[in-house]
Amino acid sequence: QVQLVQSGAEVKKPGASVKVSCKASGYSFTSYGISWVRQAPGQGLEWMGWISGYNGNTKYAQNLQGRVTMTTETFTSTAYMELRSLRSDDTAVYYCARSGWEPDWFDPWGQGTPVTVPS
Amino acid sequence: SYELTQPLSVSVALGQTATITCGGNNIGTKNVHWYQQKPGQAPVLVIYRDSNRPSGIPERISGSNSGNTATLTITRAQAGDEADYFCQVWDSSTVLFGGGTILTVL
Repeated sequence: QVQLVQSGAEVKKPGASVKVSCKASGYSFTSYGISWVRQAPGQGLEWMGWISGYNGNTKYAQNLQGRVTMTTETFTSTAYMELRSLRSDDTAVYYCARSGWEPDWFDPWGQGTPVTVPS
Repeated sequence: SYELTQPLSVSVALGQTATITCGGNNIGTKNVHWYQQKPGQAPVLVIYRDSNRPSGIPERISGSNSGNTATLTITRAQAGDEADYFCQVWDSSTVLFGGGTILTVL
């Protein structure tokens, strides 16, 4: 079955960077994209960006431009999301989710990776 | 910028019909998707492109979209339907989520 498995929880100091991985299985990685969505404690969902599994093209949320980089490694069917210059308000659960040729809808989602940035 | 508005909470009696709305300017012209999220779990897609159910989603869950309101309807509500529900659109090169609605089954 289609599955996305993410890397484990992270605790980072302010100003540091975090890189979260998302390993896909059960489908052709290059036929879909991967979106990243985060959820701060007790809050709603925030889209961070999308990357094509085919050619690595990206679309980033405007408020994260310059701080986020999304990449893929097709031979391992793995997507990565790196967020730099971390602040306390980056504390959230970070999800990857399979998307289409555009970040239209998301299905399925990874299990989530908690990232904590103490203030 | 475009915004999606959902009620903070909706309550429904066991076995009755719950309706969760998602408001947006001319949202009827966009594709709306819905997710269910239970505490401590990742979201699950329950409706895509306004009214389509992914495999494994029961027919009790349905969606519609017209004018300025998209609607998620859950008939014969069960205790297992208690969750947060989020609407979502892809618009002008960005993805937007509604603020989420907590569904309580009484």
